[in-house]
Order: sequence, then structure tokens, then C-alpha cells
Amino acid sequence: QSVLTQPPSVSAAPGQKVTISCSGSSSNIGNNYVSWYQQLPGTAPKLLIYENNKRPSGIPDRFSGSKSGTSATLGITGLQTGDEADYYCGTWDSSLSAGEVFGGGTKLTVL
Amino acid sequence: QLQLQESGPGLVKPSETLSLTCTVSGGSISSSSYYWGWIRQPPGKGLEWIGSIYYSGSTYYNPSLKSRVTISVDTSKNQFSLKLSSVTAADTAVYYCGSVSSYAFDYWGQGTLVTVSS
Repeated sequence: QSVLTQPPSVSAAPGQKVTISCSGSSSNIGNNYVSWYQQLPGTAPKLLIYENNKRPSGIPDRFSGSKSGTSATLGITGLQTGDEADYYCGTWDSSLSAGEVFGGGTKLTVL
Repeated sequence: QLQLQESGPGLVKPSETLSLTCTVSGGSISSSSYYWGWIRQPPGKGLEWIGSIYYSGSTYYNPSLKSRVTISVDTSKNQFSLKLSSVTAADTAVYYCGSVSSYAFDYWGQGTLVTVSS
């Protein structure tokens, strides 16, 4: 059971837009930055979004992040078949069990 | 641009200690711009943070693993290491090392599969 809750799967057609939610609490998302990672099959995770909504160099602006209260959202527009991957949210949890926490991951299928 | 590479045995016997090393290139492990961490992913499952170490030497560990984990830094070799004791089959996973900057794991190693089996 992950501290952060993500939908197990989402799907959309090529060219469409999809959003992936990440729900937490005041001890994690509510008071800390959220990051998002893309994991293509058989590869290491790759940073897509940091500090809630910033993109590292080289990440296309089709990927966006937002945060409101204790939830965060990853948006992907202009879906491509190459976007099929697992997506994870992550943040710091400031509770007594302090540490980095990740969501359970969301499998994106581009139909 | 940082590059990280994990190394260590791919097979560990139950009750023994898993030991992995992450070699950092393209930057100094002593830099105050980064801290360093280990993450694992059991086959077919999600990511689990194991622990992190700061340039000051301070460490933070996943509470569920804290009693069995040690992370250390060797600045002379630009490496940091993970030791996980008393392993069981539940510790079988792909182990990743990563660098943390701006509150996110920005660079990751390719990962190494460690299987716990007799």
C-alpha cells in the first residue's frame, strides 16, 4: 500500500490528452514539492517534472505538472505511442516516518 | 551531466548481506548541490525508496528497512554504497542508485537486479 495514491491505469488515443492523479496528505504532497517519473519498459525511471511543475532540460512541453492542496496531477498532451509507460509521482513525507515516498504507479496505454 | 552506475553481486543467499556500490561520474559526490539515494523495484511492482545520504554524511532511511540498512560515501572513489543485512526473498528487486537535486531524483543508474536465493 503506497503512501501516495495513483490510478493503476489510464488510456487514451494517439493525439489526445491524459491526466494522471496523485493523492496524498498534508504531511507529504500538502507541504512538499512533487516530482513525476516516466519508466519505459525495461528501463530506469526518468525525471519528467520537479518542484510540482518544472520540466528538466529536454523534456517536451507536452508534459506538465500541477499541484493543489494534497493532490498533484501530471498532464500529457499530444499522446504518442512512445509515451506508453509507467508513471510515478514522488515527494518527501514529513511525518514521523519521514522519507521519500512514491505512488504505486500508473500504466499509460496509448490505444 | 551526471552518470551513475550500480555494481555488485546479482545473487545473494538468504540471511546474508546485500552490498551494492554506485559510481558517480560527471560530478563530485562531495558537491553540496546533490544528495544521493537508493531505490528498489521488486519484479512487476512499484518504486520503494531505501535511503539517502547527504554530502554532510547525514543519512535518512526508509523506516521499514532502517534496522537493516547502511548507506555510506567514499569520496576518494566518488562512490556511495548500500548494505542491506539479513536479506530474504522479499528483498529480490532491481536496485537503482540516484542523485537528488531540487527535491527530485534527477539522475538514475541503469539498475541492477539482485536475486535472493539459496
